[in-house]
Amino acid sequence: DIQLTQSPSFLSASVGDRVTITCRASQGISSYLAWYQQKPGKAPKLLIYAASTLQSGVPSRFSGSGSGTEFTLTISSLQPEDFATYYCQQLNSYPQTFGQGTKVEIK
Amino acid sequence: QVQLQESGPGLVKPSETLSLTCTVSGGSISGYYWGWIRQPPGKGLEYIGYIYFSGSTNYNPSLKSRVAISVDTSKNQFSLKLSSVTAADTAVYYCARHRAKTTRGGMDVWGQGSTVTVSS
Repeated sequence: DIQLTQSPSFLSASVGDRVTITCRASQGISSYLAWYQQKPGKAPKLLIYAASTLQSGVPSRFSGSGSGTEFTLTISSLQPEDFATYYCQQLNSYPQTFGQGTKVEIK
Repeated sequence: QVQLQESGPGLVKPSETLSLTCTVSGGSISGYYWGWIRQPPGKGLEYIGYIYFSGSTNYNPSLKSRVAISVDTSKNQFSLKLSSVTAADTAVYYCARHRAKTTRGGMDVWGQGSTVTVSS
């Protein structure tokens, strides 16, 4: 299985901050990576697919980049509704694995 | 818009079979890949497997010997069966749609999740 390692696992930030989360794959996955946001008690929400394509309806402050084994999710100006846990998922090979998650909390 | 709803027992006894159904509304099950994902309490997400509307499947090897996913296009539903469950199978189970008729584009529609507890 392809392992995905997210860093950091926990992030404390303020409203307005620029936030970057990294996802590293144990082997190359081209651009087959998605990012999700999950709030407590809710299902994950797709933010980014194909590493850098913004899902319809997602605010433009979210962006993704990377290919191969290293990827980043950036929130350009953190908003109160962005405090949540973020997961990456590789879609290159089966089983389609997730990273362990990054919890973004209010400083 | 397309909505998904999981249904099934919330409590399953150890060694028995967990059964969940996902009902697709607001759109057709045809043409898409449909997946099951689970999340143990306080933990991350685990991909269980998918089914194509035609019936082809792919399962996580860690669960392959115990899992079966089926589809009923006439009812716009797909289902999950997980046999010989233990406490380690206690989780919130989500059904989801793979976007853009491929398994490589992420999952864009999710059910609200069904909490399943394995306990005697």
